[in-house]
Formats: sequence, structure tokens, C-alpha cells
Amino acid sequence: KQEVTQIPAALSVPEGENLVLNCSFTDSAIYNLQWFRQDPGKGLTSLLLIQSSQREQTSGRLNASLDKSSGRSTLYIAASQPGDSATYLCAVHNTDKLIFGTGTRLQVFP
Amino acid sequence: GAVVSQHPSWVICKSGTSVKIECRSLDFQATTMFWYRQFPKQSLMLMATSNEGSKATYEQGVEKDKFLINHASLTLSTLTVTSAHPEDSSFYICRWGHTNTEAFFGQGTRLTVV
Repeated sequence: KQEVTQIPAALSVPEGENLVLNCSFTDSAIYNLQWFRQDPGKGLTSLLLIQSSQREQTSGRLNASLDKSSGRSTLYIAASQPGDSATYLCAVHNTDKLIFGTGTRLQVFP
Repeated sequence: GAVVSQHPSWVICKSGTSVKIECRSLDFQATTMFWYRQFPKQSLMLMATSNEGSKATYEQGVEKDKFLINHASLTLSTLTVTSAHPEDSSFYICRWGHTNTEAFFGQGTRLTVV
């Protein structure tokens, strides 16, 4: 059974810091991995999608890497801003299901 | 990315009543869609998978007679919470898309049963 874990569970940092969010999964037989952002009481916004054959994806200040063999992905946020405050979720496509991690609650203060 | 519209965004209902949540894809068609729920400070948990024109497949522990899914077309699906109780209070969110491609979610529905 696929299990997805995210570390840390919560993070509070001053504006401008570079951040690394971690995601690990137990079954490496995945189709892809996707990172999402969720604002309080809101739906999910897709940030980055990494196919199983890829090593990383970049979008603006975000960079996500994937090491399928070790069951790990990291989301790197450069020069964090207060507007980045949200919960970040990683999810893996495993057979026919999308399995979510536990999330990292990020707060960036001015 | 694709646009998925979910309504209502929030609803409060009395215990014992039924609530219908609608999920519509606005700019693409897909035969498969998924319903998730999220309890406070927890991650999203898959409730059921439905394919247009056939019965939904429910995850273990999810009552199919309580959570009725009608996958009416390639762009519309509804989730009805029947005889809602306070323990059904949660954040419900739909997802459209094929099983292993980029996932697009609705805005979610906050259900509070009083």
C-alpha cells in the first residue's frame, strides 16, 4: 500500500529565505508526482507535475525534483514571500489512484 | 490548466437532510472523475472513482448508499450526501482527469452539518 509522507509538517520562516519541502513515498512504481498548493478553506492549485521518467521540473521560483528509486521528491522555493504562505501537498499517481501526502503548512512572515 | 467548477463552495445543513454537490469541467471532457474529502488538518482521502455511464467504485470505509454519485456526462458529476450527520462535516473536492495525467481539482465544498 502506497504511503506518502511530508516533512516538515509545519514551517515558519522570514521572508526571503530559500526553502526545501520534502516528500517521500513507499512504492516507487509511480506514473508521476504532483505538487499542489492549498490555501485555507480552498481547493488545490497545481504547481508542478513530474513524470516518472523526469528528474525535475521548474516553474518560476519553484523547482521540484524526483528520485523515484529512493522514493523521494523535494520542492524548492526560492526567495520566499508572504504570499507563499499555504499548505503544500505532494501526491503520487500509483496505479489508478492519486495518493496525497500529509502536507506541509508554510508560513512566511514579513 | 483545466478549469473545474464546483458548487456550492460552502453549505450548512440540518442533520438528516441531504446535500448535493456539483462538479463541472468547463473546458475539457473526461470519462473519469474522483471525489475526495478532507477532514480538518488532514490530507485528502479518495472517496470514490466514477466513470461516465457506469456505477462508481467506492473506497473501503465509504458508504455507497450514503454518498451517491451521479456521473451524468463527460463534464458533469454530482455527489449527494444523504441523511447527513455532523460527522459528515468535511471539505469535499472533486477531481477530473485521466488516471495518470495531471490532476485538476474543483474549488471544494465546505459542508457543515448541524
